[in-house]
Amino acid sequence: SQQGEEDPQALSIQEGENATMNCSYKTSINNLQWYRQNSGRGLVHLILIRSNEREKHSGRLRVTLDTSKKSSSLLITASRAADTASYFCATDDFGNEKLTFGTGTRLTIIP
Amino acid sequence: GAVVSQHPSWVICKSGTSVKIECRSLDFQATTMFWYRQFPKQSLMLMATSNEGSKATYEQGVEKDKFLINHASLTLSTLTVTSAHPEDSSFYICSATPRDEQYFGPGTRLTVT
Repeated sequence: SQQGEEDPQALSIQEGENATMNCSYKTSINNLQWYRQNSGRGLVHLILIRSNEREKHSGRLRVTLDTSKKSSSLLITASRAADTASYFCATDDFGNEKLTFGTGTRLTIIP
Repeated sequence: GAVVSQHPSWVICKSGTSVKIECRSLDFQATTMFWYRQFPKQSLMLMATSNEGSKATYEQGVEKDKFLINHASLTLSTLTVTSAHPEDSSFYICSATPRDEQYFGPGTRLTVT
């Protein structure tokens, strides 16, 4: 399977703390995307980082990409209860729009 | 932003019947749409790529005669689950790519009894 791995599988932190999730993938990529999914709902696009970028910020989100290690991390700073959700990374095969999703991290923010 | 809708949001059907799920891009045209399936507490698995005006491309292990895909226009793709069985119960999500980002519909929860 080409599915990426994410760790941790589950993460519980206190509100206000930072949350870090990691994603590893297996093939060469054009870009890597992070998505959030609330329970039983669709996916919300969070951020896209291209293969020639190393770091990207969007509000409280910080994403890094290390193509030599085929890994990415998502940092959520100053977490809020509303950040409770599952987070998935997704990569496209180089030159292909198809996405391969990671296994996901279930994040719980404790008020 | 790009908006993708799905209809219905949930459906319950009896074993042996067929169910059609619609995926629409509301504010952009999509020559390509994607259909994913997600089982509880699992990740999304790509089922097929829907191409406007041509046949869909199915991923390995996905039965094309069971999951019929029709991409009749630049804003609409449909997935029909034929002769549904309880093991087809799942969350089905479509997506489309107006630019580099892929935008997802809200999903359709199918329960086959």
